[in-house]
Amino acid sequence: QKEVEQDPGPLSVPEGAIVSLNCTYSNSAFQYFMWYRQYSRKGPELLMYTYSSGNKEDGRFTAQVDKSSKYISLFIRDSQPSDSATYLCAMSWDTGFQKLVFGTGTRLLVSP
Amino acid sequence: AAGVIQSPRHLIKEKRETATLKCYPIPRHDTVYWYQQGPGQDPQFLISFYEKMQSDKGSIPDRFSAQQFSDYHSELNMSSLELGDSALYFCASSLLVRKDTQYFGPGTRLTVL
Repeated sequence: QKEVEQDPGPLSVPEGAIVSLNCTYSNSAFQYFMWYRQYSRKGPELLMYTYSSGNKEDGRFTAQVDKSSKYISLFIRDSQPSDSATYLCAMSWDTGFQKLVFGTGTRLLVSP
Repeated sequence: AAGVIQSPRHLIKEKRETATLKCYPIPRHDTVYWYQQGPGQDPQFLISFYEKMQSDKGSIPDRFSAQQFSDYHSELNMSSLELGDSALYFCASSLLVRKDTQYFGPGTRLTVL
């Protein structure tokens, strides 16, 4: 079983919809939580990062971390066709060198 | 802003050949990571370097080796290539004190025939 689980999708929504992307994890030692966006055949692009529990907002994006439930979310408001991509959650520890453990990614399709 | 640079962007090799991938981190970043992403899979950590010393090792085959040079660029050397080595190879860089931000390069697509 993978340490980080993520529904691969695809998740199809109309333009303007609110999108909810989620990951669950099993390792309670994870302290850093990131969301990356990856377009086809491109490198992952860092979208949001949070430390420990709580919420963080940046423009149309909101990241939430619930450590008690081992559950993280990324919300995208007013989704645009340009948001169509694969969204990867990633996590790492507070100690040592922070190699990232990724989820499998959720493919999002936003239709005009 | 400067980003992580990787070269070459595409590489085609035959089985049992050798390949060298290069990574140039964001200026002043002290840590470099290498990841392998197979088709339809998530990136898997291979190896990392902090201040030119190997800092962590993941699922990197013994056929692969890597190093970081005095100018902080890193090279991933892959020998006796196998068909299963075909993948996207990403380099990421960060500042160790910023544990929550790794910035990825565009990747090198390696195809082994």
